Amino acid sequence: KQEVTQIPAALSVPEGENLVLNCSFTDSAIYNLQWFRQDPGKGLTSLLLIQSSQREQTSGRLNASLDKSSGRSTLYIAASQPGDSATYLCAVNTGNQFYFGTGTSLTVIP
Amino acid sequence: DGGITQSPKYLFRKEGQNVTLSCEQNLNHDAMYWYRQDPGQGLRLIYYSQIVNDFQKGDIAEGYSVSREKKESFPLTVTSAQKNPTAFYLCASSASAGVYEQYFGPGTRLTVT
Repeated sequence: KQEVTQIPAALSVPEGENLVLNCSFTDSAIYNLQWFRQDPGKGLTSLLLIQSSQREQTSGRLNASLDKSSGRSTLYIAASQPGDSATYLCAVNTGNQFYFGTGTSLTVIP
Repeated sequence: DGGITQSPKYLFRKEGQNVTLSCEQNLNHDAMYWYRQDPGQGLRLIYYSQIVNDFQKGDIAEGYSVSREKKESFPLTVTSAQKNPTAFYLCASSASAGVYEQYFGPGTRLTVT
């Protein structure tokens, strides 16, 4: 069964800092990997989707990379802002199911 | 606006009662999913459906039931057999299973006392 791990569980940074969130998974047989943002008490908002054949995707200040062979993905956030404070989750798609990590809770301090 | 709606946002029930959570999408997506989220745990899959009139159990289906009579609707019933039903329930959809991304609704918080 696919296991997805996100480290660290929580992260606090000053505004303006660049940061990296990590996601690892145990089975490299995936279709794609998706990064989400979740605000307290809300649903998940899709940030980036990387197909298994891709190495990275970019959207604004966000850049996600994928190394399928080593079972790793990173989400890079440039020039962090207080509005980036949220929980970030990664999910791997095995075809029929998506498996989620437990998330990284990010706090950006003004 | 295209999207996924879940109702109600908050739901309170007494122990022993069945309750049905609504999920509707107007994205014309074939696949729909139900997840449960508990504090400190990742999302866990309850049921998923890839086409109308067909659905499969996820990792934690015991105590839950679903139906998929219409493409746009995928209601979840939490039965009295579910031992710990208090949780945040999230519905999602994707164009089809496989290469497409998932989109999520706003969630329903169920409290059973």
